[in-house]
Amino acid sequence: EIVLTQSPATLSLSPGERATLSCRASQSVSTYLAWYQQKPGQAPRLLIYDASNRATGVPARFSGSGSGTDFTLSIISLEPEDFAVYYCQQWSNWPPLFGGGTKVEIK
Amino acid sequence: EVQLVESGGGLVQPGGSLRLSCAASGFPFSSYSMNWVRQAPGKGLEFISYISSRSTTIYYADSVKGRFTVSRDNANNSLYLQMNSLRDEDTAVYYCARSYCSSGTCYAVGAYWGQGTLVTVSS
Repeated sequence: EIVLTQSPATLSLSPGERATLSCRASQSVSTYLAWYQQKPGQAPRLLIYDASNRATGVPARFSGSGSGTDFTLSIISLEPEDFAVYYCQQWSNWPPLFGGGTKVEIK
Repeated sequence: EVQLVESGGGLVQPGGSLRLSCAASGFPFSSYSMNWVRQAPGKGLEFISYISSRSTTIYYADSVKGRFTVSRDNANNSLYLQMNSLRDEDTAVYYCARSYCSSGTCYAVGAYWGQGTLVTVSS
């Protein structure tokens, strides 16, 4: 199975700063990678699919990049509502595992 | 508006059974594959099952294979998860999620999610 490693585990930033989250796959997943945002007590929300495509309604400050084994989710200027946990997920093959998550917290 | 509403969670003893339901609306249910994802308290996400639009393709995570059965009723826009031989480690919030689909192909990606239903396995 393909393992996804997210780093850092926690990112402490201030509103307005740029966030850069990393997701590394144990083997190539091409661009079959998604990013989700989850806030406490809420279901996950799809942000990015196919490594770089924003889902419907996702603000342009979110962007995804990468292919193969190394992927990045960037948030160019953090808004207060962006402080949450972010997960990557691959669907190159079964099982479609998630990474362990990165918590973006207010500094 | 896409809506997914899970139900059927609750407290069950180890070894017991539970059937979760997911009522879908706001989209052509029979055209989309569906998924079950769970999240143990304070933990990350785990994809546990995928079912294609016509139930011809079904996948399970190893952790639930042989114990859980996914099914769907396209006539009633409903998704189900029959859970047998429940264990303590099955305690989690269970989400149903509609797949992301492109050019007629659907993938094990949660494009839309329900609010989840909590299953607690404890004696």
